[in-house]
Amino acid sequence: NAGVMQNPRHLVRRRGQEARLRCSPMKGHSHVYWYRQLPEEGLKFMVYLQKENIIDESGMPKERFSAEFPKEGPSILRIQQVVRGDSAAYFCASSPLAYNEQFFGPGTRLTVL
Amino acid sequence: AQRVTQPEKLLSVFKGAPVELKCNYSYSGSPELFWYVQYSRQRLQLLLRHISRESIKGFTADLNKGETSFHLKKPFAQEEDSAMYYCAFRMDSSYKLIFGSGTRLLVRP
Repeated sequence: NAGVMQNPRHLVRRRGQEARLRCSPMKGHSHVYWYRQLPEEGLKFMVYLQKENIIDESGMPKERFSAEFPKEGPSILRIQQVVRGDSAAYFCASSPLAYNEQFFGPGTRLTVL
Repeated sequence: AQRVTQPEKLLSVFKGAPVELKCNYSYSGSPELFWYVQYSRQRLQLLLRHISRESIKGFTADLNKGETSFHLKKPFAQEEDSAMYYCAFRMDSSYKLIFGSGTRLLVRP
């Protein structure tokens, strides 16, 4: 089992562009969580998805951010019109059930110029 | 608001010395506490959780509800313990993990 995969590992965008971050959960896992880590801070919960459903997006900014987990393919975290404050490490985790251990991916480091 | 506090950003010890990484949480219910570790160039991984009450790589942590603490301890630090350590908790009946800001442990030879 390759573990949770995230790509790209590093992403550079200019202000106003769109960023798409992808997460492939571990085999057999249908629950995906996204966390954001700003410099010098801990990881902060953004959104929790099951296949084709957003269960909890309470930690996600209301504007410019969206997430999906389609029936086929990876989960996508999309940030439109990026700003410098979006620069952070974005981590994805997956679990087989909602309250099981969460396994983390290596993260995507987004830099907005 | 629920939060986790790790007061030390950096903890530097010599090999063989005891280690204690501090973690305090603020939550009035029944939390589930975790320690995660991130070694250099590796992904975040679960080190231990309070409900399992086990020792992993010589590390232990005891939940003290009176002091709302979950400090991580090891009697004799090894160089390979050098890593970033994050304390996290989950509220009862929740899936969200709430993380502290992390403590970098540096074990010197």
